[in-house]
This record gives sequence, structure tokens and C-alpha cells, in this order.
Amino acid sequence: GESVGLHLPTLSVQEGDNSIINCAYSNSASDYFIWYKQESGKGPQFIIDIRSNMDKRQGQRVTVLLNKTVKHLSLQIAATQPGDSAVYFCAETSANTGNQFYFGTGTSLTVIP
Amino acid sequence: DVKVTQSSRYLVKRTGEKVFLECVQDMDHENMFWYRQDPGLGLRLIYFSYDVKMKEKGDIPEGYSVSREKKERFSLILESASTNQTSMYLCASNGGGRGGYTFGSGTRLTVV
Repeated sequence: GESVGLHLPTLSVQEGDNSIINCAYSNSASDYFIWYKQESGKGPQFIIDIRSNMDKRQGQRVTVLLNKTVKHLSLQIAATQPGDSAVYFCAETSANTGNQFYFGTGTSLTVIP
Repeated sequence: DVKVTQSSRYLVKRTGEKVFLECVQDMDHENMFWYRQDPGLGLRLIYFSYDVKMKEKGDIPEGYSVSREKKERFSLILESASTNQTSMYLCASNGGGRGGYTFGSGTRLTVV
């Protein structure tokens, strides 16, 4: 099966600081990646995606960076707010997995007011 | 707003009971998925379906079955619930291609 994992299971940041959440993947054929946010008691929600022909993609306060050489992607959250407290996990897919997504185990982000 | 609705947020069932988890999506999506989510293990795929009356086993199908009689509804069935099936169950759908999934809010099932 696929191996999609996160380096740190928990992360605590001060409100207003930037957060960086990391994800490693093992399938070199992976060509599409998504970051999800899961708040307590809710289902995962799409945050941002990136295709393998890109190195960086920016959204509102979030940036995803993709390093295909080392099979690593990261999610950067600028000016972290209390509402950003959640579990974040990455998902990856490729044509050779039938376009099924494989999910990481998640990083729990806690924002300290 | 697109929606995936899971019928129950919390369920408590007894060992040996037959359990039905229902999921309905209103986006006319072809693809629907059932995952279970456990601490430290992430999301694991139980079953998925690419079309009505069609089903495929995921990574952990043992002890589960599914039913997709209508496009919008995908049911997960625990034939005889066991305590190791205590978990959060997440339903998801997508419209095919490379789009991400839309998830339901989850059903937290406890088997006692």
C-alpha cells in the first residue's frame, strides 16, 4: 500500500505566528495532493491542492509547497488563528492507484491564544 | 453548498448486532467511499463504489459489506458488530477525475 505520513503528530503555535505542517509520501508516481482540515466532531474539509507540475500554490493564508525530489509537501498557515486549531492531513493520489486517495495520519495543530 | 450527510453522529451498538450506517450525497457524484478513522492510523478505506450497484473492496473490508441501490446513497453494513469495529466512520464522495473528496461529518460508533 501507499505510505503517506506526517513528521509530527502534534504542533502548538502562538496565535499570530506562522505554522508549518509537513507530510512525506513514498509513491514517486503521485501527481496530485490535497491538504484537509478536520475540526473536532466534523468531517475533513478540503483546504488546498497542488499538482505535481507545480512547486508552490497559495490560497488565503495557506501555502502548499511540494518537493518532488524528496517526496515531501508542507502546509504553511500564515498568522495562525484559534480557528485554525484542528487536525491537518495530506492526501495523495496517482494514476497507478486508480485515482484513489491515500491519507496521512494527521497532525494536531493547537493555537495558543 | 454540496453536501454529504451521514444519518447518525453517534451510535452505540451491542456486540453481534447488525449495524447500518447510511450516507447520502446531493451532488450527483458517481464515486462514494467509506473510511474508518482511528487514532494513529489515519483514514483507512473499507469499501468504495464507482456506480450504482457496483462495489469494490478497499484495504480493510473484513467484517463489512456495502449497498448502493441508488446513486445518492451508499450504506455501510456491519454484519455482526464487534468491539474492534468501534471507530469513527467517514463517508465521502467525488465526481470522478482528480477532484478531492467531500466528506460527511462522520459517525462515531461504539460497540459494547
